[in-house]
Amino acid sequence: DSGVTQTPKHLITATGQRVTLRCSPRSGDLSVYWYQQSLDQGLQFLIQYYNGEERAKGNILERFSAQQFPDLHSELNLSSLELGDSALYFCASSLTGTSANEQFFGPGTRLTVL
Amino acid sequence: GESVGLHLPTLSVQEGDNSIINCAYSNSASDYFIWYKQESGKGPQFIIDIRSNMDKRQGQRVTVLLNKTVKHLSLQIAATQPGDSAVYFCAENLDVQGAQKLVFGQGTRLTINP
Repeated sequence: DSGVTQTPKHLITATGQRVTLRCSPRSGDLSVYWYQQSLDQGLQFLIQYYNGEERAKGNILERFSAQQFPDLHSELNLSSLELGDSALYFCASSLTGTSANEQFFGPGTRLTVL
Repeated sequence: GESVGLHLPTLSVQEGDNSIINCAYSNSASDYFIWYKQESGKGPQFIIDIRSNMDKRQGQRVTVLLNKTVKHLSLQIAATQPGDSAVYFCAENLDVQGAQKLVFGQGTRLTINP
C-alpha cells in the first residue's frame, strides 16, 4: 500500500459525459501528479500540482482539468468524454515537486467510456 | 524529442535465474532515472532509482546500471522469483523549470517460468 488513495476504483460512463476522479496523497506529501495509462499510449504524464498550485503540464487535453485543494487532495475532471478516453488514470504523490524524488502511485481509477 | 523506450516488450526467464531489463532514453539532460514495477491491477511501484552522477546503484536483489554515453539504463534482478512477474517501466526525469516531469517507457513484461 503506497498510502495514496484514489476513488472511484471503476467508472463506466457514456460519451459526452463528465466525470471527476479523486486522489488523496500520502500524508505529508505536497505534490500530486496525474497520469493516464492506455494500451496504445503507455503511461503518460498529464499534470502536476504542488501545494495547491499547478506546477507542470504534460499531455493533458483541454477537455481535462485538475485542481489541488487546501487539504492537498486533488481532483481530475474529464469532460465531453470520448471513447478514446477509456484508460487507467493514476495519481501519484511526492514530498516535494522541486527536485527529483520518488513518486508514490495510487491504485488507479479505471475509466470506461461507452 | 522526449522519449524513453524499452528494447524488449516481453522477457521470459527461469525461476532462480537473473533477469536483465533494458531501456534506452533520448534526453541527455535527464538527471534522474527510476524503475517501476507494475503488477496486474495495481499502480506502478518504485523499485530503485539512480541519479545521473552515478553509473551503478544496488538495492535488495536489484541493480540499476546507467550508461550516459549511450543513454542506456538497465535493471538487473538477481535470483528471479515468481513474485517478480510484472511489467517493468523505466522513467526519466526531466526538470522543467523546477518541476519534475517523468517520461515513462512502454514497459517490459517479465514472466517467470517455474
